[in-house]
Amino acid sequence: AQSVTQLDSHVSVSEGTPVLLRCNYSSSYSPSLFWYVQHPNKGLQLLLKYTSAATLVKGINGFEAEFKKSETSFHLTKPSAHMSDAAEYFCVVSDRPGGYNKLIFGAGTRLAVHP
Amino acid sequence: DAGVIQSPRHEVTEMGQEVTLRCKPISGHNSLFWYRQTMMRGLELLIYFNNNVPIDDSGMPEDRFSAKMPNASFSTLKIQPSEPRDSAVYFCASSTPERIEAFFGQGTRLTVV
Repeated sequence: AQSVTQLDSHVSVSEGTPVLLRCNYSSSYSPSLFWYVQHPNKGLQLLLKYTSAATLVKGINGFEAEFKKSETSFHLTKPSAHMSDAAEYFCVVSDRPGGYNKLIFGAGTRLAVHP
Repeated sequence: DAGVIQSPRHEVTEMGQEVTLRCKPISGHNSLFWYRQTMMRGLELLIYFNNNVPIDDSGMPEDRFSAKMPNASFSTLKIQPSEPRDSAVYFCASSTPERIEAFFGQGTRLTVV
């Protein structure tokens, strides 16, 4: 079965400094991977997705993620944090039980951004 | 595009009462998912519909939970009777076979007292 592990439950950065949110995945075949963001009391918004094309994936709001098969990782990065980036971030892998795309969510990483 | 629409946004009910959560998927999407989010268990898939037919309900916690999709533009998740441990945020999401990602609604925050 597919699974993801988010290595940090909380990350705190200063505004203007880089962001790194770590995610490792487990998959028996070539996975599809996603990052979703959830702002307080809001729904989940897709940041970016990897579907076996380019290994470096660019998303919205300046975020990007790199798929590294050798390390089974899909870390999320942003060069410069903004206050509005404070939210919870979920790494997600797509499983295909019975042929449909079932999204398996990680436990989440809460990002705090300080002035 | 209005996105996935869920109602109500907040629901407070007493233990033992019936609760019905509603979802309108994005027009043209033929896959619909119900998820539950709690602090203890994170985001869990409860049930998946394809073309209005329930395909995978293995995540439904117990018989008190039921879900229906009478047509392509409407789905309900019902809890009867409700219990305090059902308190959570319930999300509905929709998708298409061409788009492997799912699009989520704003969620319904359920509190059972």
